[in-house]
Amino acid sequence: DAKTTQPPSMDCAEGRAANLPCNHSTISGNEYVYWYRQIHSQGPQYIIHGLKNNETNEMASLIITEDRKSSTLILPHATLRDTAVYYCIVRVASGSARQLTFGSGTQLTVLP
Amino acid sequence: GAVVSQHPSWVICKSGTSVKIECRSLDFQATTMFWYRQFPKQSLMLMATSNEGSKATYEQGVEKDKFLINHASLTLSTLTVTSAHPEDSSFYICSAENPGTNTEAFFGQGTRLTVV
Repeated sequence: DAKTTQPPSMDCAEGRAANLPCNHSTISGNEYVYWYRQIHSQGPQYIIHGLKNNETNEMASLIITEDRKSSTLILPHATLRDTAVYYCIVRVASGSARQLTFGSGTQLTVLP
Repeated sequence: GAVVSQHPSWVICKSGTSVKIECRSLDFQATTMFWYRQFPKQSLMLMATSNEGSKATYEQGVEKDKFLINHASLTLSTLTVTSAHPEDSSFYICSAENPGTNTEAFFGQGTRLTVV
């Protein structure tokens, strides 16, 4: 699986959009970009994933650059409960179950 | 949506005793589950892959005789930490994917193990 690079930490004001970047310059054509988050002392939570088109769900939006070498997770209106470590992971989506390789992630702190 | 349930959420045990952690897939059958370990201020590290009906596959450096994995049914995998020592104190997390989709992984709530 391709390696990802994320900033170690970010702050965001409550109610504002949180934009979390991720670089994955070695991504392969069949690899998807996944985002998970981990709130303190809990298991990771799936947020969103995409291949090349931008994706949106009830939690967030995922913007993938045209060359697919980077992406941005957008939380449109961050709340205090969005404070967590956000992990960007690249892997193939279909086929047999595969483990996820977690990097260091980005600690997002939403400030009141 | 699909849910993976892990039990217990926390446990304290004495050195030398064994602790069993359960991981259940509630909405789907999972032939494969994964066990991760997370030390404070660190990321999740894969320990082993649990395969229903066959032996688990362990990552390098993880002792298979110390971390016993049993995946006897399609909805349950267990991790037993045998002869626990204080250095085994950690946050243990399991995950599974719905084989019908194999898209996103679902994680258990995690188990905080403290060995005293």
